[in-house]
Amino acid sequence: QKEVEQNSGPLSVPEGAIASLNCTYSDRGSQSFFWYRQYSGKSPELIMFIYSNGDKEDGRFTAQLNKASQYVSLLIRDSQPSDSATYLCAATTGGFKTIFGAGTRLFVKA
Amino acid sequence: GAVVSQHPSRVICKSGTSVKIECRSLDFQATTMFWYRQFPKQSLMLMATSNEGSKATYEQGVEKDKFLINHASLTLSTLTVTSAHPEDSSFYICSAILSSSYEQYFGPGTRLTVT
Repeated sequence: QKEVEQNSGPLSVPEGAIASLNCTYSDRGSQSFFWYRQYSGKSPELIMFIYSNGDKEDGRFTAQLNKASQYVSLLIRDSQPSDSATYLCAATTGGFKTIFGAGTRLFVKA
Repeated sequence: GAVVSQHPSRVICKSGTSVKIECRSLDFQATTMFWYRQFPKQSLMLMATSNEGSKATYEQGVEKDKFLINHASLTLSTLTVTSAHPEDSSFYICSAILSSSYEQYFGPGTRLTVT
């Protein structure tokens, strides 16, 4: 069964620190990888996507992909209390089917 | 990013009645949309894949006769919860996918409460 695994957390970091969120996936055929942020009671919001090995930066966010290790990560620099949310990792396998991880809860302490 | 709307955002209905939820892609055409359900403090659960012009594909354990999906146009998919019961109370979220990039954009969700 194709899976995306995440540590459920909570991950607690002080304000201003770097938050590091990790994700592994089981299907080597996965081609596209996404990070979503979900606030409590709200629907997920796409924040980053990555297709190629290496790093991709967008503002305070950096996504990292290592296909050999089947590993995806999201770094959040200068973490803010407003970043406190659940972060979902997702991988797209064949066609449009997207497999979501269960999410990691991040708590940024002011 | 792309915009997906959902209506209604919140609905309360009596047990035994049916509820229709609409999902629209506002600024792009979506041949494929997804319907998810999320219970409190749990992860997203994919219910079905909605394909424009053809029958929806349901995930294992999801009753297709209870959760009717219609994807009649490239911008609209509907989910009808038939004969709703209290255990159907949940947060229903739709999403639409950009075929060019596989980016998936979510609607704001519909909170269903069945009394």
